[in-house]
Amino acid sequence: GQQLNQSPQSMFIQEGEDVSMNCTSSSIFNTWLWYKQEPGEGPVLLIALYKAGELTSNGRLTAQFGITRKDSFLNISASIPSDVGIYFCAGGDEASNTGKLIFGQGTTLQVKP
Amino acid sequence: ETGVTQTPRHLVMGMTNKKSLKCEQHLGHNAMYWYKQSAKKPLELMFVYSLEERVENNSVPSRFSPECPNSSHLFLHLHTLQPEDSALYLCASSQDVWHEQFFGPGTRLTVL
Repeated sequence: GQQLNQSPQSMFIQEGEDVSMNCTSSSIFNTWLWYKQEPGEGPVLLIALYKAGELTSNGRLTAQFGITRKDSFLNISASIPSDVGIYFCAGGDEASNTGKLIFGQGTTLQVKP
Repeated sequence: ETGVTQTPRHLVMGMTNKKSLKCEQHLGHNAMYWYKQSAKKPLELMFVYSLEERVENNSVPSRFSPECPNSSHLFLHLHTLQPEDSALYLCASSQDVWHEQFFGPGTRLTVL
């Protein structure tokens, strides 16, 4: 079945550093979504991408939909302590007809003040 | 209330109990979802409802029984669960099945 490989699995960085994480798949997706989850809460949507090559920003966050439609990356610039959490990518295929999203395993981000 | 709400937030139950999880969305969406989130594993889709019709049943054991009485409410009825069913159960909704999904805070379930 479809799978997403998300890397890195975890990151421990200094406040102010930039962060980059990515997701790759052997399958093609029509939608890429990036979520952040904090302890005790559900995932919160950060950025949605709908077109191959699309580059979208949300504040200090920037995400891109890969040209091959098999990958996506998320960058966080000038990290701050509240960026701590688990970041998930999710790929969607409209052809599935059910809205099914395939999720990556998550990247755990820790930021040292 | 705004967004997607879930109750209860925490639930502890024995293997012979019957309980229900409730999800309500206040976004006017037409699609609702149940996911299971276990430690060290990606989110697993369990069920999808679109306009109150079940459109996906992702090989979930029959001890989990969903119910969608209207487009704003989704239930997950639980009976004779196993300890390995302990997890965070997340509800989500979207405008339609092809749109981005918004999640509730989840119910942390522990089966003893």
